[in-house]
Formats: sequence, structure tokens, C-alpha cells
Amino acid sequence: QKEVEQDPGPLSVPEGAIVSLNCTYSNSAFQYFMWYRQYSRKGPELLMYTYSSGNKEDGRFTAQVDKSSKYISLFIRDSQPSDSATYLCAMISMKGKLQFGAGTQVVVTP
Amino acid sequence: GAGVSQTPSNKVTEKGKYVELRCDPISGHTALYWYRQSLGQGPEFLIYFQGTGAADDSGLPNDRFFAVRPEGSVSTLKIQRTERGDSAVYLCASSFSVQGGEAFFGQGTRLTVV
Repeated sequence: QKEVEQDPGPLSVPEGAIVSLNCTYSNSAFQYFMWYRQYSRKGPELLMYTYSSGNKEDGRFTAQVDKSSKYISLFIRDSQPSDSATYLCAMISMKGKLQFGAGTQVVVTP
Repeated sequence: GAGVSQTPSNKVTEKGKYVELRCDPISGHTALYWYRQSLGQGPEFLIYFQGTGAADDSGLPNDRFFAVRPEGSVSTLKIQRTERGDSAVYLCASSFSVQGGEAFFGQGTRLTVV
């Protein structure tokens, strides 16, 4: 079993819809959680960084962390075609090893 | 520098040859990570450094792979006797601290072994 599980998709939504992404994890030592966006042939770009359980909002993006359920989510409101990309969850323990999910491909159709 | 810089951006090499991939992290970042990413997959952890020392090299697939960071800044990933299966994008990231710092990535080096 992988430490971080993420559905690879693809996830197709119409423009303006809410995109809902999530990851589960098995290692309770993970303390810090990140979401990255990766366009084709580019490096991952950091979108959100969270520590505690709860919600964090940044513009159209909301990250949720539920440590008791070992479950994290990313929501994208008012999705745009430019949001079409692969979204990667990542998490890190105090020992420092940064682990990624497989990534979810998102397609926002005009 | 302004961001993580990786060179070269593309590398084509023949099977059996030796290659070096370079990563120049963000100035002041003490943690440095190497990942390998195949098409359609998430980044696969290889190794990370805290300062000059390798804190965790458990992801290196075999002894053909080696990485150094002699002065705690620039890192080099070295692959000996390359195989076609080594073809992938090699990503480098750096963060201010391994304990919770946000990690920023370079654009990667696309390695093709022919």
C-alpha cells in the first residue's frame, strides 16, 4: 500500500464548476501538506501549504486537512480552462521526507 | 537565485554512458530533494539533503545512482552505466527547512537514454 493515495483521474468539469480533489494517507507522522499544480512538461508549482487540520483559503483555492481521517482536499472554485493541469498532493513528516500522490489530471472544458 | 535552477533541461545519452544532472537551489534553502517522474506518474522520491549530508537516500533505485551536495548548496545527481529504464524527468526541489518548509521545484531535466 502506498503511503499517499490519489485518484489519477482524469477529472473533467465544465468551466465555472467547482473542482474537488482529494488524497488519503496512511502515515500519521505526516504534519505538513501541500498541493502542487503541474502543467505538461513543466515542474510542479506550489499552490497551497497547510499544517493544521481545518481550512485554508487563497483566492479561488481552498485546502482542507482532516488529520483524524488522514484525508486532505483541494477545491477550486469558478474553474477556468487555464486550471487544466495535473494536481499533486504532497506531505512531509518531521523527518523531512516529502511524499507525493500520483497526481490527478483535471480538464476544464469551455 | 530567484528559483530552483536545473541543468541541462534536456539530456540525451547512449545506454551505458555516465551522466550528471545539476541542481542549483534557492539561496538560503538548506533542504534539497531529488525526484524522478515518469509520464503520467507522480514524482518518485530519490534522496534528500539537509545541508551537505544525505538525510535519506532510501529512494535511490540502485548503486548506479549517487548524489552529492559538497558545499550545502548546488547538488549533482550522478547516474553510471545508464539504462533505457532510467529515461524520465529528474526534478529537484529545495526548501528553507526539511521540517515543514514549503518546497519549490525546478523545471526538471528530461533524460533520454537511447
